[in-house]
Amino acid sequence: KAGVTQTPRYLIKTRGQQVTLSCSPISGHRSVSWYQQTPGQGLQFLFEYFSETQRNKGNFPGRFSGRQFSNSRSEMNVSTLELGDSALYLCASSLGGNSYGYTFGSGTRLTVV
Amino acid sequence: GENVEQHPSTLSVQEGDSAVIKCTYSDSASNYFPWYKQELGKGPQLIIDIRSNVGEKKDQRIAVTLNKTAKHFSLHITETQPEDSAVYFCAASKGYQKVTFGIGTKLQVIP
Repeated sequence: KAGVTQTPRYLIKTRGQQVTLSCSPISGHRSVSWYQQTPGQGLQFLFEYFSETQRNKGNFPGRFSGRQFSNSRSEMNVSTLELGDSALYLCASSLGGNSYGYTFGSGTRLTVV
Repeated sequence: GENVEQHPSTLSVQEGDSAVIKCTYSDSASNYFPWYKQELGKGPQLIIDIRSNVGEKKDQRIAVTLNKTAKHFSLHITETQPEDSAVYFCAASKGYQKVTFGIGTKLQVIP
């Protein structure tokens, strides 16, 4: 079966710009979670969507937002980019509750210059 | 909220030796403990998980143990091979709450 697809794989943006990242979960998975991965901070939880509703939210500023569509595909948006937003952004899908285990995508590497 | 501590941050072992990675969690209500392996350039991959009603689980060369009283769980890899070299993450969650990850352990298996 197809895995979790994240696009684009790499992105270079300038400070102040905004960016949209996309995630297509495994077919049948209704939960999509987003994580920011940096060398010093590990995997930091951004938010989780389930059936188009945000179910959990991490401690990131309002510049980070997301949404989920009726086909379970999800997007996250970062506005007014800062240098510190440079990171690997990972999307993970799961069947439902967070006790089923995640399937991660390969991530989008965002570099802010 | 939940806090997961993981150690060591780096671990080097000779091929064929065993490797052990340990994690502690803070929320006694957490009931699901997965372990992920991340290879270079890839997203983390679930390798084994354990639920709070089980004390130990094994899958070939990897095993996980859980001590609910002490709130810690460990990953054991036996007969390590070079392809086991990667970053390993432990995690904890409960119900529909977010999954909290440890900081990761970089395992190097020396041929």
